[in-house]
Amino acid sequence: EVQLVESGGGLIKPGGSLRLSCAASGFTFSSYNMNWVRQAPGKGLEWVSSITSPVAYTYYGDSFKGRFTISRDNAKNSLYLQMNSLRAEDTAVYYCARSISPASFDYWGQGTLVTVSS
Amino acid sequence: QSVLTQPPSASGTPGQRVTISCSGSSSNIGGNSVTWYQQLPGTAPKLLIYINNERPSGVPDRISGSKSGTSASLAISGLQSEDEADYYCAAWDDSLNGPVFGGGTKLTV
Repeated sequence: EVQLVESGGGLIKPGGSLRLSCAASGFTFSSYNMNWVRQAPGKGLEWVSSITSPVAYTYYGDSFKGRFTISRDNAKNSLYLQMNSLRAEDTAVYYCARSISPASFDYWGQGTLVTVSS
Repeated sequence: QSVLTQPPSASGTPGQRVTISCSGSSSNIGGNSVTWYQQLPGTAPKLLIYINNERPSGVPDRISGSKSGTSASLAISGLQSEDEADYYCAAWDDSLNGPVFGGGTKLTV
């Protein structure tokens, strides 16, 4: 059974940093491109970042370039999102999701809530 | 403001057929396939339709997708109470070099 489990969310002050993790199981992690998608409270879905495999090419939404860094460790079946210079508007549930095509994500984690507040 | 445009709400009664529209441009829907997601309250999104009209295993055939030009539609026939959810369209955008989503449509049954 495919499982994606995010962790690392929490309450952080503006300007702070946080590293999210996503543990994958039930499939050959190294064979799939992976993504982070976020959802602010009461709002819609917003693509954050993608990373390919086996060569780790990375892509970011404009709002995240220079602040967020996506990475993966295929040996540990894990996906990461390093978030720096966090702002109040980054408050959201962050989901990791597996790609089957550029905009089609067939499995999603349960999400981890990031709250940026002083 | 979302790149893809969806109506904020839709409604229907049990057994009815409803459609949800998604409008884009030549850089996204016009040149790429469309995906639809269903999000039940308090849960993660679920893949409903990909490559315009393909259903993953487990998605009933009363749910279908279509695309024409720079617009797409999701149709749900034989509406059931469990279809009450938020629905999002998505497509790759060649200009933004990333996937873009619609703002979501809340379906009330």
